[in-house]
Amino acid sequence: GDSVTQMEGPVTLSEEAFLTINCTYTATGYPSLFWYVQYPGEGLQLLLKATKADDKGSNKGFEATYRKETTSFHLEKGSVQVSDSAVYFCALSYGQNFVFGPGTRLSVLP
Amino acid sequence: NAGVMQNPRHLVRRRGQEARLRCSPMKGHSHVYWYRQLPEEGLKFMVYLQKENIIDESGMPKERFSAEFPKEGPSILRIQQVVRGDSAAYFCASSPPGLAGGLYEQYFGPGTRLTVT
Repeated sequence: GDSVTQMEGPVTLSEEAFLTINCTYTATGYPSLFWYVQYPGEGLQLLLKATKADDKGSNKGFEATYRKETTSFHLEKGSVQVSDSAVYFCALSYGQNFVFGPGTRLSVLP
Repeated sequence: NAGVMQNPRHLVRRRGQEARLRCSPMKGHSHVYWYRQLPEEGLKFMVYLQKENIIDESGMPKERFSAEFPKEGPSILRIQQVVRGDSAAYFCASSPPGLAGGLYEQYFGPGTRLTVT
C-alpha cells in the first residue's frame, strides 16, 4: 500500500543553519504531496504542497520539490529560526487515501 | 470562513465513563477524518467519513469506539467505557469533495486532549 518514510528525529540545529528533512514515498499512482507542521499543543497546519512531478511548493522560506524519479519530497530551509521548532509531517494523498509519515521533531537553538 | 472546530479542547473522564468528541468541518467540506496522537508520537488514522456514511474505519478499535457524521450537525467520535490507554490528543480534519487523484489537502482542527483518570 501507499506509505511515507521520513528521516528520524530529533533534529537539532543552531539558528541560521540550513535544514533538510528527508521524505520518500511509495504510491501506486501519482499522489499529491504535502508538508504539515505541528507546533506544541496545536493541530497540524499545512506548510506547503505539490500536486505533480517537478512542482516546487514553498511557504515561509521552506521549499520542497516533487521528485518522481526518486519518489522524494525533501523539505529545505536556508536559515532556520528558533520559531521553526516544531514537528514536521510529510504526507501524500491519492484518491481517498491520505497517508502521513511518522513526523520529524526539529529543535532550533539560539 | 471559520476553520475546523473541535470541542471540547480538553476533556477529563474517569475510567468507565463515556467520552464524546465533536468536530465541525470547514464550510463546504463534506469529508471528515479522525486521528489519534499519543504523546511524542505521530498521527494514527482512525476513521474517514462523509455525510451519513463511514467510508473507511480500518484504524478504529473494534470495541468501544464509534464515529458518525450526520446529515445535520457535527461529526462525533464516541468512546465508551474509557480506559487510561485512551488518553491522547484526538484530531479531526476535513477536506472538500474532490476529484479522483486526491487533489485536496486536509485542514486540521486544534484537537481534543482526552485525559482518563
